[in-house]
Amino acid sequence: SQQGEEDPQALSIQEGENATMNCSYKTSINNLQWYRQNSGRGLVHLILIRSNEREKHSGRLRVTLDTSKKSSSLLITASRAADTASYFCATDGTGTASKLTFGTGTRLQVTL
Amino acid sequence: DADVTQTPRNRITKTGKRIMLECSQTKGHDRMYWYRQDPGLGLRLIYYSFDVKDINKGEISDGYSVSRQAQAKFSLSLESAIPNQTALYFCATSVAGGDYNEQFFGPGTRLTVL
Repeated sequence: SQQGEEDPQALSIQEGENATMNCSYKTSINNLQWYRQNSGRGLVHLILIRSNEREKHSGRLRVTLDTSKKSSSLLITASRAADTASYFCATDGTGTASKLTFGTGTRLQVTL
Repeated sequence: DADVTQTPRNRITKTGKRIMLECSQTKGHDRMYWYRQDPGLGLRLIYYSFDVKDINKGEISDGYSVSRQAQAKFSLSLESAIPNQTALYFCATSVAGGDYNEQFFGPGTRLTVL
């Protein structure tokens, strides 16, 4: 079964608004990563947060991690039409030899 | 040039045919992976290889085989394709060791089995 489950499955917002996506997972992790996928294309790494970190920023991205709740969130601020894509969380579980387990993704639509 | 390339990009085949998908990388990474993506299911790991002599099954290896011909090349074979193997297939690479195992993905191969 999938390790990560994203919520919501789909999100539609207007340009300039903030977008928040959530990810829940089931077991202990070394780190959690977020990836972006434009329609039908390969995934692109966005940001990684380690299990001992609680928050991380990269440009307009803000990621939080709550290991007690086994959850993470990705916030995209001041969204742009070009942010339209699917976003996936991926967990590097402890004892999994650095294999990533991907969630089912959130489809983000940013309209003008 | 792209760091991770996949060939072919699109393939339509018939049930029972043998199919090989190829992946090449110029990133110098030791680790390579094959995933399939189905609508609503995210990515699922088929096989992975941590070096040339290392091959490991992933979550959904049945019906697939792989070959790591060199550090830079990792191919995926469907010995006898079936319609439920219709999916988008991705190759990925990562560096060895450490706790920062970002993966770099190829552009994908869209496979249709009729």
